[in-house]
Amino acid sequence: GAGVSQSPSNKVTEKGKDVELRCDPISGHTALYWYRQSLGQGLEFLIYFQGNSAPDKSGLPSDRFSAERTGGSVSTLTIQRTQQEDSAVYLCASSLAGSVGDTQYFGPGTRLTVL
Amino acid sequence: KQEVTQIPAALSVPEGENLVLNCSFTDSAIYNLQWFRQDPGKGLTSLLLIQSSQREQTSGRLNASLDKSSGRSTLYIAASQPGDSATYLCAAPSGGYALNFGKGTSLLVTP
Repeated sequence: GAGVSQSPSNKVTEKGKDVELRCDPISGHTALYWYRQSLGQGLEFLIYFQGNSAPDKSGLPSDRFSAERTGGSVSTLTIQRTQQEDSAVYLCASSLAGSVGDTQYFGPGTRLTVL
Repeated sequence: KQEVTQIPAALSVPEGENLVLNCSFTDSAIYNLQWFRQDPGKGLTSLLLIQSSQREQTSGRLNASLDKSSGRSTLYIAASQPGDSATYLCAAPSGGYALNFGKGTSLLVTP
């Protein structure tokens, strides 16, 4: 079946603009995760959804970052007033039940460049 | 918080060689450990997941081991091929559901 999809694949924006990144998880997966991969920083966790609620937002770097999930499916990560340090690859993953032992399946990512 | 470290950061080997990638973690109360592959400009592909009750997992030419007492996991690749060239990442859950990743080992297999 279809894997995790993300759009857009690439986004170039100017400093100060808002951006929205979209994630479509694998059908039937209740858990959804957002990660960020920056050059030299590795992968860092941003936020976790179980259904439509986000019990763990601990990784969001500032209040400019927010995310929502509707219908237990699609999720949108919004970055307001983008800064150059927001440039990174944003990866989305989903898992079947959100249990600690679940395998997480990753999408191809959105490469964000803030000029 | 679970800290994950990978050594070496980069590795170049000739085709056909067997190789070992290393991953270390700080919390021996690890729930599981997962190895991923990342090709340039692509997302992550899960290779192997080892539960804390397991010592190793095998898939084709790949074998991953887990030693909780020493805080180490290794990924063994047999008879390497140029198509194995990629970045390999290990990750472990950190308390909750988030995965903590190492910074990866960039592998180049030369023909």
